[in-house]
Amino acid sequence: ETGVTQTPRHLVMGMTNKKSLKCEQHLGHNAMYWYKQSAKKPLELMFVYNFKEQTENNSVPSRFSPECPNSSHLFLHLHTLQPEDSALYLCASSLGRATDTQYFGPGTRLTVL
Amino acid sequence: SQQGEEDPQALSIQEGENATMNCSYKTSINNLQWYRQNSGRGLVHLILIRSNEREKHSGRLRVTLDTSKKSSSLLITASRAADTASYFCATETSGSRLTFGEGTQLTVNP
Repeated sequence: ETGVTQTPRHLVMGMTNKKSLKCEQHLGHNAMYWYKQSAKKPLELMFVYNFKEQTENNSVPSRFSPECPNSSHLFLHLHTLQPEDSALYLCASSLGRATDTQYFGPGTRLTVL
Repeated sequence: SQQGEEDPQALSIQEGENATMNCSYKTSINNLQWYRQNSGRGLVHLILIRSNEREKHSGRLRVTLDTSKKSSSLLITASRAADTASYFCATETSGSRLTFGEGTQLTVNP
């Protein structure tokens, strides 16, 4: 256990559905991240939050909408997704700076039909 | 182009052998980190080596860093079947994010 939990672990949704991914960290960290991991591609950083403020949006399409209500919780709201959005979505946290050691959750395996 | 690129992409060895994975990067770094990922799971941090360090050990892991060649290597000694996983190096870019390579898939056959 890394101290970072993600729910759900698996999600299948249609292109017209709206769903949300949840991440929670119990480490007292101040920074949280969403990554996308597709087969045979490097890990792609999507969003960075520091002290609840979004500090980075890596040109992510607007059909992905993050929310960070506090330093311990991070959500990724999904709507009108495309089949190519199917991937493993990983949440991570770190003490402060993005270059500190990052602690990852187990991921949500998303399949878009 | 990748900041961190691992080599080889895949490595298959027998239990008990040593496994060596390499990482090359392009820009100056403050530190380099190695992570491990079991299939379909999150990444787990293994070791961090700072730019002023040349070698670091943790259990059966040995990491080296050559800043003049902009490269790092991860050595796993006396490998076990449980070491089967993907291994990623991560480097700092622009002081604001970690960039991960595509990883090396290590298979240790019993």
